[in-house]
Amino acid sequence: IAGITQAPTSQILAAGRRMTLRCTQDMRHNAMYWYRQDLGLGLRLIHYSNTAGTTGKGEVPDGYSVSRANTDDFPLTLASAVPSQTSVYFCASRTTGERGEAFFGQGTRLTVV
Amino acid sequence: SQQGEEDPQALSIQEGENATMNCSYKTSINNLQWYRQNSGRGLVHLILIRSNEREKHSGRLRVTLDTSKKSSSLLITASRAADTASYFCATDAKSNDYKLSFGAGTTVTVRA
Repeated sequence: IAGITQAPTSQILAAGRRMTLRCTQDMRHNAMYWYRQDLGLGLRLIHYSNTAGTTGKGEVPDGYSVSRANTDDFPLTLASAVPSQTSVYFCASRTTGERGEAFFGQGTRLTVV
Repeated sequence: SQQGEEDPQALSIQEGENATMNCSYKTSINNLQWYRQNSGRGLVHLILIRSNEREKHSGRLRVTLDTSKKSSSLLITASRAADTASYFCATDAKSNDYKLSFGAGTTVTVRA
């Protein structure tokens, strides 16, 4: 693995189903983020984590949960998917020491039908 | 609401022309960052400017920051077709947190 990896790349999901989007980084970054991107709305922060063991809510956290059991992994779970959660989801990470640039995964395109 | 707001929403220019886009934000920041996104891809970091800096250059990119007006601009000089992309500003708010908040972006089309 080099950088930050998201899985799956795309998914069609029936409404009401549970889904976990995976995100793994190998850069030992402390901070990790989940964003959703919708046309005309840019990237909106769902949840974030400053370091392993801690998480925080972003702008649009409802319907989503995250965990940060270790430094490398930051899964995003939709407990019961709804059509309004159809979006492209991006995971990102960065170091906290320099408060520098974030590195992004390639995204997960999720369609809830 | 989102921290950063880009202006304009869309921009169409001829190859060789300059492209300027602006970002306004709401709270005090540690730094402001600009990213580029090619269609269907993840975001790529372009340049970071810290709150105590006023201007920064990187190749054909020039970023300015005015903390009194809570605004930043990104200038791409001598644009190329390959610069066609969406550009986003992101703010690292001054706090104990490490949230990074993005705006809605500017879509730039460079015509050959």
